[in-house]
Formats: sequence, structure tokens, C-alpha cells
Amino acid sequence: GAVVSQHPSRVICKSGTSVKIECRSLDFQATTMFWYRQFPKQSLMLMATSNEGSKATYEQGVEKDKFLINHASLTLSTLTVTSAHPEDSSFYICSASSSAIQETQYFGPGTRLLVL
Amino acid sequence: DQQVKQNSPSLSVQEGRISILNCDYTNSMFDYFLWYKKYPAEGPTFLISISSIKDKNEDGRFTVFLNKSAKHLSLHIVPSQPGDSAVYFCAASAGNAGNMLTFGGGTRLMVKP
Repeated sequence: GAVVSQHPSRVICKSGTSVKIECRSLDFQATTMFWYRQFPKQSLMLMATSNEGSKATYEQGVEKDKFLINHASLTLSTLTVTSAHPEDSSFYICSASSSAIQETQYFGPGTRLLVL
Repeated sequence: DQQVKQNSPSLSVQEGRISILNCDYTNSMFDYFLWYKKYPAEGPTFLISISSIKDKNEDGRFTVFLNKSAKHLSLHIVPSQPGDSAVYFCAASAGNAGNMLTFGGGTRLMVKP
């Protein structure tokens, strides 16, 4: 099946610093990538949808200036958490899809962010 | 307003028996449904899907049933195995939503040996 990777898998940072998370589709071209956030014991919350070469569409309540998303190529999207604070600590998961794999989204392994 | 609901937060089943996970939805525009399995600290893994033109899809031990009139779908796992223990999410998408998925809250399945 389609493989999606995320890097780093885990990151610990100090409050006020910025953290970049990469999401790559390894064996297919992802026309659309999604970024989710999961709080403990809760469902996945969609943060934003990005299409290659265009600006991301953010869900209501998600600050676009805080969570910068770049989808520069068909295989790479990045999420940058700017000026991170402890409340940003969470599990961030990306997924990717393309017209070739129809409606199915394939998920990355996730990134655990801990802000001290 | 939750458009996709999984009303059972957890389910415990004996190994070898059938596991039935349920999911209800409210948006009549949804036309494609998926089930994902998720282990702690990992991304969801796609299991099985069904289009609204079907009422059943089977893949090995996994079968998904769709009842459009009731806006209800279920995932059957038979026989259940201890390795099936995980959180299961159902998700739905509408044809005009660009592959965007709406997830249910998840059901934690525990299969006891």
C-alpha cells in the first residue's frame, strides 16, 4: 500500500521555539495532504488541508499564523508550529491522498510534540 | 454537531468470537465510508472501505455493512484475534469534499485471549 512518513517521530522543545514537522509520501504523488491533531483519548481533529502549490485551507479555530503549512511538492508537506507553548503539546498526524488512490487517505506514523 | 458518531467508546470480546463495531452518521451527503485501526502513538492504518452504492464489502476477516436508510455502518471482525486490539475509527467523506474525511470518536477494542 501507499506509504507516508513523518519526521521527526518525537520532539521536545522549549516554550517559544518553532518546530517543523515533515510529511512525505514515499511511493505516490500526493495531490492533497491533511494535518490532524490528536489529544489523549480523543479522536483525530482535522487542522488543515493542503493542495500542492496552493495555500492551505484551515479548519475553524485553527490559527494559520501559528500552524504554518507548506505543500511545496507532490511528495512533501511541512507543518511548522511557531512560538510553541505547552498547550501545543500533542500528537500530530499527517495523511496524503491522490486521485490515483481515490478517496482513501494514507496516514503517517505521527509526531509526538512536547513543549516544556 | 458530530456528523459521525461511534457511541461505544470501548468493546471487549473473547478471542475467536465476532467483534462488531458500530458507527452512525447524520450527513446524507456522505457517500464513502472507511474504517481505520490505530495503535497508541501511531498513525491510523486503513482497513476497509465501502461506497454508498454497496451495502456490504468483505476483505478477509473484516466485513463492513452499510445501511443507508438508517445512516448506520458496522465493522465485523471474525474471528477476533488479540492483535486486533486497538482503537477503531470510522470515517466518512462526501464526493464533493475533496477527499476530506470526518472521523468518529473511535472505539477501543480489546480482544481477550
